[in-house]
Amino acid sequence: DVKVTQSSRYLVKRTGEKVFLECVQDMDHENMFWYRQDPGLGLRLIYFSYDVKMKEKGDIPEGYSVSREKKERFSLILESASTNQTSMYLCASRDGGGETQYFGPGTRLLVL
Amino acid sequence: GDSVTQMEGPVTLSEEAFLTINCTYTATGYPSLFWYVQYPGEGLQLLLKATKADDKGSNKGFEATYRKETTSFHLEKGSVQVSDSAVYFCARTEGAQKLVFGQGTRLTINP
Repeated sequence: DVKVTQSSRYLVKRTGEKVFLECVQDMDHENMFWYRQDPGLGLRLIYFSYDVKMKEKGDIPEGYSVSREKKERFSLILESASTNQTSMYLCASRDGGGETQYFGPGTRLLVL
Repeated sequence: GDSVTQMEGPVTLSEEAFLTINCTYTATGYPSLFWYVQYPGEGLQLLLKATKADDKGSNKGFEATYRKETTSFHLEKGSVQVSDSAVYFCARTEGAQKLVFGQGTRLTINP
């Protein structure tokens, strides 16, 4: 069974803190994605990675960076958290030859 | 740019009612189309998909048909249950790598 896990379900951080969100998939997928989900805006792509150490900006990369040192793990980094980064963050993965993305349960981040 | 537009929610229905959630898309090519569902407290999971014109995706009593002439992929179910209460997202492929999502439609089914 397909499994994407995220390190935390809920996170509370202070403005200016560095925040790490971790995502792990056990399906040997090449592609991994980070989205944020906000009411009325759907899912917006922050970054994605199509291979180890490879990354591409999505639609809203400002204020974020990513790291993919191993195939199964894709990290989202908020260098200096701000209140407008309060959101639900969703990680997904996809096999290189497929179209279906498989999602983790999400991390709800609150920045105070 | 290419986009996906869903009917505004929230949608509230009684159990056993007929459901339609509209979805239209813009595209320069021939994308694959998806419906994802997000149950309370969970991530998204694929509900159904269609990869070419006139294909019908179906799962758990839900159906959607890829209509190229109207650029639509409306989600339907003949008789909804309380357990169908969730947020539904329509999506299309963009290029070889990405998905573009609609804004989501929250569905509540009352017993």
